[in-house]
Amino acid sequence: NAGVMQNPRHLVRRRGQEARLRCSPMKGHSHVYWYRQLPEEGLKFMVYLQKENIIDESGMPKERFSAEFPKEGPSILRIQQVVRGDSAAYFCASSEGYQETQYFGPGTRLLVL
Amino acid sequence: QKEVEQNSGPLSVPEGAIASLNCTYSDRGSQSFFWYRQYSGKSPELIMSIYSNGDKEDGRFTAQLNKASQYVSLLIRDSQPSDSATYLCAVPRGSTLGRLYFGRGTQLTVWP
Repeated sequence: NAGVMQNPRHLVRRRGQEARLRCSPMKGHSHVYWYRQLPEEGLKFMVYLQKENIIDESGMPKERFSAEFPKEGPSILRIQQVVRGDSAAYFCASSEGYQETQYFGPGTRLLVL
Repeated sequence: QKEVEQNSGPLSVPEGAIASLNCTYSDRGSQSFFWYRQYSGKSPELIMSIYSNGDKEDGRFTAQLNKASQYVSLLIRDSQPSDSATYLCAVPRGSTLGRLYFGRGTQLTVWP
């Protein structure tokens, strides 16, 4: 049973470009969460999605960041016009239900030059 | 007050010793509690989950929960160098669906 999959594992972007991060949850999981980990800092919640619905986006920056989880295909976290401060590890987690254990993917390391 | 606080560490113990990691949380409504292990450059890996007051044992790991004191701990018995990692305490708020609040983590080093 494959775990949570994320791609790409590493992404390099220049300032002003767009970054698109993908996450496929574990089989049977319909709840997806995105977290960000800045260097030397803890994990911070960004957004919680179910298929075709954003449940909680209170951790998302108001501008440039968006997330979706379409009926078909992976969840996508999109960062427009990246800045150096967006450089971080972005982790996706999935769970069977909203109070169930969350399992993490390997993460995408974003570096903005 | 932070949602989840952990003893800052770093914590260093000799091989074979017991490592004790502590965590306090602010929301009395929280019902589930998780310990994750994160090796440097890797993603968090679930170690233990606990839902009821008392102890829960899994191999060399024991999680302890005291809801009255809003305190959860992780004991690692017979510590091994491979246990050297950062340990993250994670707690959802009782009133917030889904999202986990993480502590800053405690860095554990087990020396041979």
